[in-house]
Amino acid sequence: QSALTQPASVSGSPGQSITISCTGTSSDVGGYNYVSWYQQHPGKAPKLMIYEVSNRPSGVSNRFSGSKSGNTASLTISGLQAEDEADYYCSSYTSSRVFGGGTKLTVL
Amino acid sequence: QVQLVQSGSELKKPGASVKVSCKASGYTFTSYAMNWVRQAPGQGLEWMGWINTNTGNPTYAQGFTGRFVFSLDTSVSTAYLQISSLKAEDTAVYYCALIAAAGTHFDYWGQGTLVTVSS
Repeated sequence: QSALTQPASVSGSPGQSITISCTGTSSDVGGYNYVSWYQQHPGKAPKLMIYEVSNRPSGVSNRFSGSKSGNTASLTISGLQAEDEADYYCSSYTSSRVFGGGTKLTVL
Repeated sequence: QVQLVQSGSELKKPGASVKVSCKASGYTFTSYAMNWVRQAPGQGLEWMGWINTNTGNPTYAQGFTGRFVFSLDTSVSTAYLQISSLKAEDTAVYYCALIAAAGTHFDYWGQGTLVTVSS
């Protein structure tokens, strides 16, 4: 199973919204609603932000939202804050588990 | 609350072996699957596989067969990752990650263990 495709980097100013895409195939992202998103700050463990495409775990800000269209899932962060600056990874679950290559979010 | 606490950093020579531990607490250890994820320096996350904590049966992802072994000690709620015949390219942070009831995502993560392989 190949890695999912994410942009290497995205940036935005405080208060703005950004979207990170995650492209797979009909065998993973497109075929199942099992996409999850993780935030990772430097030197820290990943943290679950979104699961099953659009569900937020308890304690995750509602500024984070997820969606999917065809073979591409998206993570949107609204009202950008400095603390959102981190790496973000998508993941899909089918018969196996695969991650995207990661996207570095810079808050300008 | 669920916690996964991993063992400390390791410095090993090429050809040696290393065993990383992941001690779980806050839930019934045998209820959920334990996964291992590798992150090489400056690189992304790579799923290594998982172990069924009820049966002890491991499943290894492509590229992680042969030198990698997942094991358990359920008496102390601990999962282990052993890597043998270490190579420089094994240098990475290794995370244990718990997949809970839904089975679709990694709910909790250990803090990571840095394994450095250098002569």
